Amino acid sequence: DQQVKQNSPSLSVQEGRISILNCDYTNSMFDYFLWYKKYPAEGPTFLISISSIKDKNEDGRFTVFLNKSAKHLSLHIVPSQPGDSAVYFCAASGNDYKLSFGAGTTVTVRA
Amino acid sequence: GAVVSQHPSWVICKSGTSVKIECRSLDFQATTMFWYRQFPKQSLMLMATSNEGSKATYEQGVEKDKFLINHASLTLSTLTVTSAHPEDSSFYICSASRPGLAGFNEQFFGPGTRLTVL
Repeated sequence: DQQVKQNSPSLSVQEGRISILNCDYTNSMFDYFLWYKKYPAEGPTFLISISSIKDKNEDGRFTVFLNKSAKHLSLHIVPSQPGDSAVYFCAASGNDYKLSFGAGTTVTVRA
Repeated sequence: GAVVSQHPSWVICKSGTSVKIECRSLDFQATTMFWYRQFPKQSLMLMATSNEGSKATYEQGVEKDKFLINHASLTLSTLTVTSAHPEDSSFYICSASRPGLAGFNEQFFGPGTRLTVL
């Protein structure tokens, strides 16, 4: 069963606007959450993470928000740039350090 | 730092043959290495976790006799797909982990290996 879900398979956004990617999880034992960016035929690259003791983490244009009660997290990219076009994976981990991935959201940034 | 390589990047083989994929952490010693597979437009699915010098731990539904994992050193893990069949065709990705900030073991991913079984 899929413990991490990304319900939007794709997102199209205009350059300069905000991209908002959503992720839901079901396992209450998850305590660390990560976002990865992936290009075709390449491995994922780490973007940003958040611990369950926080509700927000910001790194440059990327901000991750965590709502533990709703078991929901989101990634905000602002402003969106053409180079941000990629597949974004949400991942979650518990104390065993294994990562459970969502199915990914393909982001297309239009010029 | 934290570069992980995989070799080969792609391989085509005949049904029934075995294929070995190498995963190396180039500039750090990895406490643990993970193997994932990804089908088109789907998520990365964890296959197994391996620690240097010990047997790999396989996820439910993954055949350990089919997907042999050897973790010979802190910088090298290999995945051998034995008697490959067309349904084994997939994108295989490894990751290597090391202790990171806040006690979390960061995972660094290799570029992946595309396996096509004819």
